[in-house]
Amino acid sequence: DTAVSQTPKYLVTQMGNDKSIKCEQNLGHDTMYWYKQDSKKFLKIMFSYNNKELIINETVPNRFSPKSPDKAHLNLHINSLELGDSAVYFCASSPRDRVIGETQYFGPGTRLLVL
Amino acid sequence: GENVEQHPSTLSVQEGDSAVIKCTYSDSASNYFPWYKQELGKRPQLIIDIRSNVGEKKDQRIAVTLNKTAKHFSLHITETQPEDSAVYFCAASEAGTALIFGKGTTLSVSS
Repeated sequence: DTAVSQTPKYLVTQMGNDKSIKCEQNLGHDTMYWYKQDSKKFLKIMFSYNNKELIINETVPNRFSPKSPDKAHLNLHINSLELGDSAVYFCASSPRDRVIGETQYFGPGTRLLVL
Repeated sequence: GENVEQHPSTLSVQEGDSAVIKCTYSDSASNYFPWYKQELGKRPQLIIDIRSNVGEKKDQRIAVTLNKTAKHFSLHITETQPEDSAVYFCAASEAGTALIFGKGTTLSVSS
């Protein structure tokens, strides 16, 4: 019955590898997001999808590629992992409101460590 | 784009005292201001939010105030308890945009 879920919870990998993180929400929300939380706890938006369409793409290296197969899923694929990619990656979802911002619900996070 | 400043970065209080965390934002189009609490190793959890048509909102020991003219909003926690210890984030957004977060405040409540 988890609202926003992510897999895996932990990911330890070598530099240069390619890895994917998956996110699913069962809240019926239209919009999903990927945030990165660095070692200083700073939370920063990476991408946002609305109903499978990319609507926000912040300044993120093109080694990061999001994919939304349907509005309940948003995956993040990372190519050629670097040490600086080590962080916690949070998925979030919210209903879509065209007038005012809406509450975002976060997944449990994926702790990525690149060695 | 939006920029959110949050102060202080750390805050230590005694149990039972009040704690106040302040944030300012830059984009006058922002109309939604949530506060999240993040415990160590956990996800950010929404504790209270306010929209731009309201000046103040209260939920038990937690209250948030918004001054749209000055572009600042604050979180007030009264009668603090050790379990209030966590990192608190303010954020701002408008319709269809992602949350822009402040850098967080580490609150420590000692008994």
